[in-house]
Amino acid sequence: AQSVTQLDSQVPVFEEAPVELRCNYSSSVSVYLFWYVQYPNQGLQLLLKYLSGSTLVKGINGFEAEFNKSQTSFHLRKPSVHISDTAEYFCAVSDRYDYKLSFGAGTTVTVRA
Amino acid sequence: EAQVTQNPRYLITVTGKKLTVTCSQNMNHEYMSWYRQDPGLGLRQIYYSMNVEVTDKGDVPEGYKVSRKEKRNFPLILESPSPNQTSLYFCASSLGLAGGTEETQYFGPGTRLLVL
Repeated sequence: AQSVTQLDSQVPVFEEAPVELRCNYSSSVSVYLFWYVQYPNQGLQLLLKYLSGSTLVKGINGFEAEFNKSQTSFHLRKPSVHISDTAEYFCAVSDRYDYKLSFGAGTTVTVRA
Repeated sequence: EAQVTQNPRYLITVTGKKLTVTCSQNMNHEYMSWYRQDPGLGLRQIYYSMNVEVTDKGDVPEGYKVSRKEKRNFPLILESPSPNQTSLYFCASSLGLAGGTEETQYFGPGTRLLVL
């Protein structure tokens, strides 16, 4: 199974500033990559996913992520955050043809006015 | 409305008293999974099921059982709960095509369990 490392546990950011959340995974074999968001007291919902093709993936709410195979990374970015982006963000990885999905420990983003 | 439901949402129990957390989805998904979420550890997969009567262990299966007798239901059973199973539990489902987990997972609202 994959090992997923989210390099920042907490990211405070001011409203309208850019944010980057870093994610690295353990293996360079073919993988599927996901970012999920969890708003307070809610379940998780998908932000975006990379399956194949273009390494730059666009998701909902203005988020995007870039897959870097050589660095085994899948960092999430947003050029201008809103208060409503305050949430916990999880990176997840699955090997192709494997039914297991491994999550990182999560990054809490707090957006302040 | 397409959804994954879990019951109960909150549960306080005592060590050793068997309990079941139900999970149901109305999207005709093949793949279902249980996770536990603990601070600083993210989500860890407990068990998953690729289809009816097909289940397999995730990363932290000890102390848990599951069954998949119908496509829509995937209950999580704690035969003898212990305090270290105090956690937030999520059920999820996806189409789960033969290629693996490339499909988006839809999560239930969570069940917060406290074992005394």
